[in-house]
This record gives sequence, C-alpha cells and structure tokens, in this order.
Amino acid sequence: GQNIDQPTEMTATEGAIVQINCTYQTSGFNGLFWYQQHAGEAPTFLSYNVLDGLEEKGRFSSFLSRSKGYSYLLLKELQMKDSASYLCAAMDSNYQLIWGAGTKLIIKP
Amino acid sequence: IAGITQAPTSQILAAGRRMTLRCTQDMRHNAMYWYRQDLGLGLRLIHYSNTAGTTGKGEVPDGYSVSRANTDDFPLTLASAVPSQTSVYFCASSRGTQGDEQFFGPGTRLTVL
Repeated sequence: GQNIDQPTEMTATEGAIVQINCTYQTSGFNGLFWYQQHAGEAPTFLSYNVLDGLEEKGRFSSFLSRSKGYSYLLLKELQMKDSASYLCAAMDSNYQLIWGAGTKLIIKP
Repeated sequence: IAGITQAPTSQILAAGRRMTLRCTQDMRHNAMYWYRQDLGLGLRLIHYSNTAGTTGKGEVPDGYSVSRANTDDFPLTLASAVPSQTSVYFCASSRGTQGDEQFFGPGTRLTVL
C-alpha cells in the first residue's frame, strides 16, 4: 500500500532550527512536496523535490533521498508565525498526491 | 476573482439532503481536485479532473460526484449526505499534472447531522 509517515507534533524555540522528517512508500514516485497549513486555513506550497539532494529557499530547505524513501523540511531562524502544520505529500505513478497527516509545529518564545 | 474560490464557507446539512459545493479558479489551470481533510488524517483525494471535459476517481469517491464542463468550474455534489461526510472540503488546481504545485481554495466546512 501507499503510506506517508511524519511526526504528529514537534515543539521548538523561537530563533532555533527544526527538522521535520517524512518517510514515504508509494506505487511509483514523481516527487515530494511540502506544504504549510495554518490552523483554519488552506495548505500553501513550500517546496518540491524530485531529485536527490537539498533545495534551499530562504529560511526553509527541503531534502530528498529517493533510495531511502525519505525527506525532511528544515526551518531556520524560527519565528512565531512558523507555528503551523507541515504536510508532506508524495506524488505516485499516476501523478496523484499521497498526503501525510501533517506535523503540528509549536514555536515557544 | 483572484486565485481559487469555494462556496459556501460552511454549511450544516440534514442527512439525506443533496448538496453541491462550488469551486471556481481564474488561473486557467488545466487540473482541478477535490480533497477532504479529517482530523488525524492526511488530505484524501475524492475526485480529480486533468482537463475540462474529463474527470477521475480518487481515493474516496463513494457518495460524491463531479463535473467539469469548463476550465474554471469544478463542482462537487453529495447526492444524499451522510454524517460520515462531515469534513472540511478543499478544492485545488494546478497548471499541469506532473509535478506542478497545487493551489488550494479556502475550504468548505460541512457538517451533516
């Protein structure tokens, strides 16, 4: 079957760095997406990785290892506004997204 | 209209009633999607459309139907609502289907009693 695993909740301190891990098992693979979702709002796109390696975009970076079925999202210089859920989604062989349940990130001052 | 809109924002519905959730995008995106989001679960795909005039079933299509008569609109219909369809429904669109990011509407919170 198809499955995405990510931690349910993480806590970090303002100004620190946090890494949110995601492992995936899909029928075929066409890339890995990360989305941010604030409470009561719609998901918004953060990153897309299809090749192995690290993609950096400002304070956010995303890493992919296709051989290990593993990705992580790295958030640096955490701000209170980064408190949100972070959704990992893998695109399968039919180009459909399989979504994880999300990691709720709590930022403490 | 800017982006993707959904209506209504929220709705309380009696079981057995018919309901249509509306979704409109003005980005001329080819692909559109309907998801439901339930607490503790990931987004689950209900139906999708890769281009106007075509639709396909996602992971949880039972009890739902869609149509895609034109590029902009992608309504989702619940023929006879049941309490298990209580959820937050998100419509999304993407330019293409292969690795393009999906843009999400604000969601419809539906409660079936």
